Amino acid sequence: DIQMTQSPTSLSASVGDRVTITCQASQDISNYLNWYQQRPGKAPKLLIYDASNLETGVPSRFSGSGSGTDFTFTISSLQPEDIATYYCQQYDNLPTFGGGTKVESK
Amino acid sequence: EVQLVESGGGLVQPGGSLRLSCAASGFTFSSYWMHWVRQAPGKGLVWVSRINSDGSTTNYADSVKGRFTISRDNAKKTLYLQMNRLRAEDTAVYYCTRDNSGWGSFDYWGQGTLVTVSS
Repeated sequence: DIQMTQSPTSLSASVGDRVTITCQASQDISNYLNWYQQRPGKAPKLLIYDASNLETGVPSRFSGSGSGTDFTFTISSLQPEDIATYYCQQYDNLPTFGGGTKVESK
Repeated sequence: EVQLVESGGGLVQPGGSLRLSCAASGFTFSSYWMHWVRQAPGKGLVWVSRINSDGSTTNYADSVKGRFTISRDNAKKTLYLQMNRLRAEDTAVYYCTRDNSGWGSFDYWGQGTLVTVSS
């Protein structure tokens, strides 16, 4: 199985801050990587697919980059509604998720 | 509007069985791979199983292989997960997801159904 290592596990940020989350795959997954947002008590929502493509309707403050084994997810200016847990997920092989990053309000 | 509605969760004793259903609407169900993903209370997301569009190909996580069976009825637009020999560690919210790539890119999720395995 491909292991996905996500960091940090949690962070505190203020409205307007730039937030960056990283995800490392245990082997080369090309660009077969997605990012999801999960608000408390809700189902996950796809934000970024194929490492860097914004899903329809997702605000442009969200972005993703990377290929191979190292990936980055960025919120350019944190908004109150962005308080959530974020997950990376690879689909080069049977799908696996990172452990999640909880973004909290400072 | 795409909708996925899970049902069938509940409390079951260890060693028992449960069948989850996911009713799909708003898209051509028979054209898409479908998956089950679970989330234990307070924990992260874990992929469980997938099935291709015509039901001829299935895959499972090692943790459920031999105990769970995924299936689908394209005429009824419904996805199933038969869960046998349940264990305490199977306790989780189970989500039905649509795969828009055929490889495991989940663009729509149901609201989830809670399965609790406890005596």
